[in-house]
Amino acid sequence: DTAVSQTPKYLVTQMGNDKSIKCEQNLGHDTMYWYKQDSKKFLKIMFSYNNKELIINETVPNRFSPKSPDKAHLNLHINSLELGDSAVYFCASSQEGSSYNEQFFGPGTRLTVL
Amino acid sequence: AQSVSQHNHHVILSEAASLELGCNYSYGGTVNLFWYVQYPGQHLQLLLKYFSGDPLVKGIKGFEAEFIKSKFSFNLRKPSVQWSDTAEYFCASSGSYQLTFGKGTKLSVIP
Repeated sequence: DTAVSQTPKYLVTQMGNDKSIKCEQNLGHDTMYWYKQDSKKFLKIMFSYNNKELIINETVPNRFSPKSPDKAHLNLHINSLELGDSAVYFCASSQEGSSYNEQFFGPGTRLTVL
Repeated sequence: AQSVSQHNHHVILSEAASLELGCNYSYGGTVNLFWYVQYPGQHLQLLLKYFSGDPLVKGIKGFEAEFIKSKFSFNLRKPSVQWSDTAEYFCASSGSYQLTFGKGTKLSVIP
């Protein structure tokens, strides 16, 4: 059974389009995250949610809007896609948000903006 | 703010060679540290973690790391690498509701 799943795995789209990436975890965790991995493999936190509430928004453009319909899901919607949005986006979850909790990562979504 | 630095961008080793990947963290307070591995085309997996106690931490697949507080370091080691260890390795420190990652070290193991 997949613990943290993301769809789609690959996403190729044109500049200016709007797209969504879905994330689901079946671990019963309270906290979920989105990370962006750029072309140099650098990973950076974008958002953290705890029990459907936004905790961290790490200076991400407001074209990015996370939505958490329940604590098992954290979707990422991106408006007006730009070339610089091309990256791999990883969803993760943890039992709760304290620094003592291991984060479990999804397989990633490779977004390519043409 | 926390920061993590990894000194080696790309390490190339022959099979059976010993491995040590450097990691330094900046935060002076209580720090929780992790090493994650990303095999080609796959998601991140936890290798090991340090919260407190014995500064020598053993993880999966024969990896270990040593926490040296005086040097702000948490280096990853393996006595004998295999071709299957070829991957990207990330050191990270955790704060409330986030992980701060280093820039990663690519390890290539030559058969």
